[in-house]
Amino acid sequence: NAGVTQTPKFRVLKTGQSMTLLCAQDMNHEYMYWYRQDPGMGLRLIHYSVGEGTTAKGEVPDGYNVSRLKKQNFLLGLESAAPSQTSVYFCASSRPGSGNTIYFGEGSWLTVV
Amino acid sequence: RKEVEQDPGPFNVPEGATVAFNCTYSNSASQSFFWYRQDCRKEPKLLMSVYSSGNEDGRFTAQLNRASQYISLLIRDSKLSDSATYLCVVNERNNAGKSTFGDGTTLTVKP
Repeated sequence: NAGVTQTPKFRVLKTGQSMTLLCAQDMNHEYMYWYRQDPGMGLRLIHYSVGEGTTAKGEVPDGYNVSRLKKQNFLLGLESAAPSQTSVYFCASSRPGSGNTIYFGEGSWLTVV
Repeated sequence: RKEVEQDPGPFNVPEGATVAFNCTYSNSASQSFFWYRQDCRKEPKLLMSVYSSGNEDGRFTAQLNRASQYISLLIRDSKLSDSATYLCVVNERNNAGKSTFGDGTTLTVKP
């Protein structure tokens, strides 16, 4: 049972480069999320989606874009990476009506040099 | 003031000890509550839901106090493997994007 799968797991980018983090879930969840977590810090919500074709801004959306073209996938894009975006990125999903229990992927470690 | 606040710790306890964490929340419309566990360099994983009447899962007991707006997690007979960061999560009902995570409380259980 895969749950929430993120790719890539690790990536090093140069400042100004772009990249996309991919997230896939096989639980048929309506809601999907992207969080970032900096060392010793809590989770911060970047963007989220309540269904296919919809996205919304979270707490720290600047510098990121997202797309939810298919229900099972949620993509996070960095158009022009900055060192401040060095972080661990967690994708997550949940189903409405379940009290919104959130299930996380294993994380993607991104370093911007 | 943060919407969800936790004592960051660290809590350093010997094996076999009982330890309790509290988590306060500010939004009285909050409807569902959870405790998650996060190991170093790993994703958060659901530990247990928190029900109004309180609930127990083995050595772990979770309680909710709506009047004072806090939830608690009690760990009895601590094991070395309990060492982790414990996150509380507070949700508004069926309102994606409104799942608020605390910053976590770090527990280290020592031999």
